[in-house]
Amino acid sequence: GAGVSQTPSNKVTEKGKYVELRCDPISGHTALYWYRQSLGQGPEFLIYFQGTGAADDSGLPNDRFFAVRPEGSVSTLKIQRTERGDSAVYLCASSLVRSSYNEQFFGPGTRLTVL
Amino acid sequence: KQEVTQIPAALSVPEGENLVLNCSFTDSAIYNLQWFRQDPGKGLTSLLLIQSSQREQTSGRLNASLDKSSGRSTLYIAASQPGDSATYLCAVTPRGGGSQGNLIFGKGTKLSVKP
Repeated sequence: GAGVSQTPSNKVTEKGKYVELRCDPISGHTALYWYRQSLGQGPEFLIYFQGTGAADDSGLPNDRFFAVRPEGSVSTLKIQRTERGDSAVYLCASSLVRSSYNEQFFGPGTRLTVL
Repeated sequence: KQEVTQIPAALSVPEGENLVLNCSFTDSAIYNLQWFRQDPGKGLTSLLLIQSSQREQTSGRLNASLDKSSGRSTLYIAASQPGDSATYLCAVTPRGGGSQGNLIFGKGTKLSVKP
């Protein structure tokens, strides 16, 4: 079966623009996570969805960042008024259920470059 | 606050050598620990997941151990090959404190296996 997919694979934008990043989780996975990975760092948690609702958005850096998952499958991460510091790889992961034994499966990521 | 540290940051070995990558975490209250592989410009591939009640997991030439009380894990790679060259990331799932299953990552160890 298909794994987690993310589009686009690369996104170059100008400072101040709006961008949307898309994640298609593994079919049937109810839990979905967004992470951000800066150069030379490990991924850092942004937001977690269980079904359609954002169960934990404590990792979002500020109110320019927002994410939705309206039908409980595909999720979109939205960044307003992009800044150069937003440049990073944005990773999406999904797991079958949220449990203490969750194994997360990651997509290939979207590399965002803000000029 | 949970922190994950990986030592060394980079490692270069000749082909065929056995090697050990180290991971430490500051809070023993975890559900599990996961080792990932990341190739340049790619997403994360899960290698091994160790539940908190387990001591080790094995997959092919890989063996991961977990000593929760001391906050340490090791990834042992036997008979290394050039194809093993990648960045290896360690991550824990914290227990409690409002955790929703999001992973806390180390910065990774960049492994280079020379032919």
